[in-house]
Amino acid sequence: NAGVTQTPKFRVLKTGQSMTLLCAQDMNHEYMYWYRQDPGMGLRLIHYSVGEGTTAKGEVPDGYNVSRLKKQNFLLGLESAAPSQTSVYFCASTFSLSPGRPLNQPQHFGDGTRLSIL
Amino acid sequence: SQQGEEDPQALSIQEGENATMNCSYKTSINNLQWYRQNSGRGLVHLILIRSNEREKHSGRLRVTLDTSKKSSSLLITASRAADTASYFCATDGVGTYKYIFGTGTRLKVLA
Repeated sequence: NAGVTQTPKFRVLKTGQSMTLLCAQDMNHEYMYWYRQDPGMGLRLIHYSVGEGTTAKGEVPDGYNVSRLKKQNFLLGLESAAPSQTSVYFCASTFSLSPGRPLNQPQHFGDGTRLSIL
Repeated sequence: SQQGEEDPQALSIQEGENATMNCSYKTSINNLQWYRQNSGRGLVHLILIRSNEREKHSGRLRVTLDTSKKSSSLLITASRAADTASYFCATDGVGTYKYIFGTGTRLKVLA
């Protein structure tokens, strides 16, 4: 079982460059999430998706876009990278035993993408 | 803003001792979860406690939940060096599909 796989694991960008982070899960989960983790700040939600073709903004969405064209994949895009986006990015997925009911299952996380913007 | 705030921010104990960390949150929840993060890795789920539960056990872990005080605690008994990690609480917002994580407690267990 691969679980949640994030690619790439490391990347260095120059200010203004663009890139896409890929998250893939093989657990048939409905819900997927992108977080960023900065020192001393825990995890902050960037965007999330409650199903294929749907996305929604989280706590810190500015400067990022996402797409969920396939149920198993959730892409995070940086259109014009800025040094403030230097961070570790985590993807997670989960499901609910009762679709549309409260989330009642744990999230499964990938091992992160370490992104540096120079 | 962060929903959950862990306390203490850092904790250092000797192997064999118990470790207690606390989490406070601000709004109503359906459930609260605790996660562990080893250095350089993703978060791993430890335990989930529902809003109608007061205590839950899993191996050496004991979690309590007090919804009247909007707080939870995680107790690790007989700690081991391998328990060295950061621990996070996460709450779901009622009526949302989002989890909100606290800032974490860094636990160091000395052999």
